[in-house]
This record gives sequence, C-alpha cells and structure tokens, in this order.
Amino acid sequence: DVKVTQSSRYLVKRTGEKVFLECVQDMDHENMFWYRQDPGLGLRLIYFSYDVKMKEKGDIPEGYSVSREKKERFSLILESASTNQTSMYLCASSTSDRVSYNSPLHFGNGTRLTVT
Amino acid sequence: AQKITQTQPGMFVQEKEAVTLDCTYDTSDPSYGLFWYKQPSSGEMIFLIYQGSYDQQNATEGRYSLNFQKARKSANLVISASQLGDSAMYFCAMREGFFGNEKLTFGTGTRLTIIP
Repeated sequence: DVKVTQSSRYLVKRTGEKVFLECVQDMDHENMFWYRQDPGLGLRLIYFSYDVKMKEKGDIPEGYSVSREKKERFSLILESASTNQTSMYLCASSTSDRVSYNSPLHFGNGTRLTVT
Repeated sequence: AQKITQTQPGMFVQEKEAVTLDCTYDTSDPSYGLFWYKQPSSGEMIFLIYQGSYDQQNATEGRYSLNFQKARKSANLVISASQLGDSAMYFCAMREGFFGNEKLTFGTGTRLTIIP
C-alpha cells in the first residue's frame, strides 16, 4: 500500500512566522502535490512537482513556496503565515508510469493549520 | 467557469437506500479521466472509482458505480444499499489529458449523511 505521511496532524502558528509542512511518500512516485481544503471550496491545488527539483504553480500559489530536494519528500513553505492561510493542507503523490492515466492520487491524512 | 461542479452541498439518505451524487464537468480535451473520492470525518481521502473518457462501459467497484453520460458531461456516483459507514464528504475530480498532466481538479464536494 502507498503511504503518504504528513509530519503534523495539527499545527498552530502565529501571524508572520515561517511555516514548513513536510510530506514523505514511500512508493517512489514521481509526482507530488500540495492542496488546501476549505469548506465550500473543495480542494485547490497550490503547487505540484513532477520530479526532484522541479515545481510548477497550481491554482493558488500566492503566499506559498515548495521544495523537493529528494524524490520522496515534498515540503510546503509559508514564508510569512497569515490568518487567511488557516486551512487543511493535503499532500498527495502519484506515479507517471506508462499506464498511469487512470492512477489516482494517494493522499496523506492532512495537516490542519491554524494561524493566529 | 468551474471545471467540476457538484451541486449538492449536503444529502440525507435512509440506510439501505441507493444514493446518487451528482457531478458535471467541463473540458474541451477529448481525453480525460474522472475520479471519485470519499473523505470520512477522520480526514483521509479514499479513492473510490475511475472512469476514462473512452471507456465504453460505466465503471463499477463493489457497491459503487459511475453513471457516465458523456454527451451531458456528467459522471454521477451511485452507491447501492447505503450503510452508516458511507456518511462522509464525497469529491468528484477530473484529470484532463492522459499523459503529461497528472494533476486533478476537484469539485466542492457533497456531504452525505446516512440516517439509521
């Protein structure tokens, strides 16, 4: 079974702090993703990565950056946390092999971040 | 325009009845895939079922089936003989293009509550 592990289940930070959300997957997947989930808005893509050191902006990248130095690890960084970044953050991974067109994203359990 | 639309924010269904969760999508790409996920109160995202745009038959997985109407651009999830454990948020998602695009776009979700 694919395992995607997010380092924290709950996190409380102060406005202006630099925040790191860590995600590790154990299936050698090429692709990794960061989504945020808000009530009534569903899941929205922040950033994704197709390979080590590669990153692409999703639909809502403002205020966030990412780092992928190793294949298994994808970090989301909030350079200066703000209250409107209070949300549930979900990390996911997927494979890019030849039959991947129907492969789902595999998600971690999420990190609920509160910025006060 | 929304790429994935789920018009039912919440549904209440009697146990053992069948449930249909609506999903419509918008894309000009002839190659796409549709996914349904379940998110229980624990927060994990569980992949349920997949339908490809060229699939001739509606997808089925146990009690889950997908009512795929391509001309109407709808991909409704049908749960037969609902159980209390089916109470959860349900998300419809789409991947446009089969290769080279791994990201999923999600709808806003439907909260399903099964009544004993």
